[in-house]
Amino acid sequence: ETGVTQSPTHLIKTRGQQVTLRCSSQSGHNTVSWYQQALGQGPQFIFQYYREEENGRGNFPPRFSGLQFPNYSSELNVNALELDDSALYLCASSPQSGANVLTFGAGSRLTVL
Amino acid sequence: AQRVTQPEKLLSVFKGAPVELKCNYSYSGSPELFWYVQYSRQRLQLLLRHISRESIKGFTADLNKGETSFHLKKPFAQEEDSAMYYCALSGTPRAGNMLTFGGGTRLMVKP
Repeated sequence: ETGVTQSPTHLIKTRGQQVTLRCSSQSGHNTVSWYQQALGQGPQFIFQYYREEENGRGNFPPRFSGLQFPNYSSELNVNALELDDSALYLCASSPQSGANVLTFGAGSRLTVL
Repeated sequence: AQRVTQPEKLLSVFKGAPVELKCNYSYSGSPELFWYVQYSRQRLQLLLRHISRESIKGFTADLNKGETSFHLKKPFAQEEDSAMYYCALSGTPRAGNMLTFGGGTRLMVKP
């Protein structure tokens, strides 16, 4: 059984650029959630994808968008990067929408200069 | 709105001492509460959830709806308990798996 894998592990961008982060869910899991964790804070919910559609969204602007693919993997896209977007982005999968036990990936650390 | 508060950023205890990590929440409905833990160089992982009513690694947590608290307790701390602990709340199912996390408490168990 493979866990949640995320790529890249680290990346550096400049303000105004765009970034795509990728996540492969754990085997048998069809739901993917994304969280942003700023330094010294707890994770904040960005959105969740189930059956390739957004199924719940936190308090993040539209420049944060995502996709889920038929194999349940997912992407997080952030446009027009701002300095405050610097954070650890965590992907978590679960066996079904509404199931609250999440399996987290190791995260992608984004630095915006 | 959902909110989770962990009032202590850092909790330092000696090995063998009791531990209590505090968690208070704000939610108008019937929440589901969790404790997640992150050991050094490891991923965030579930420690326990209130509906399971079980003890994991000697830790227990009781949901107190009157005080809106879900404190994590262990009678005798071990050095391997040193980690970052996050309390989390899940509210309306319409928000999917939206978990609201607290800011976390770093537990340091000294020898």
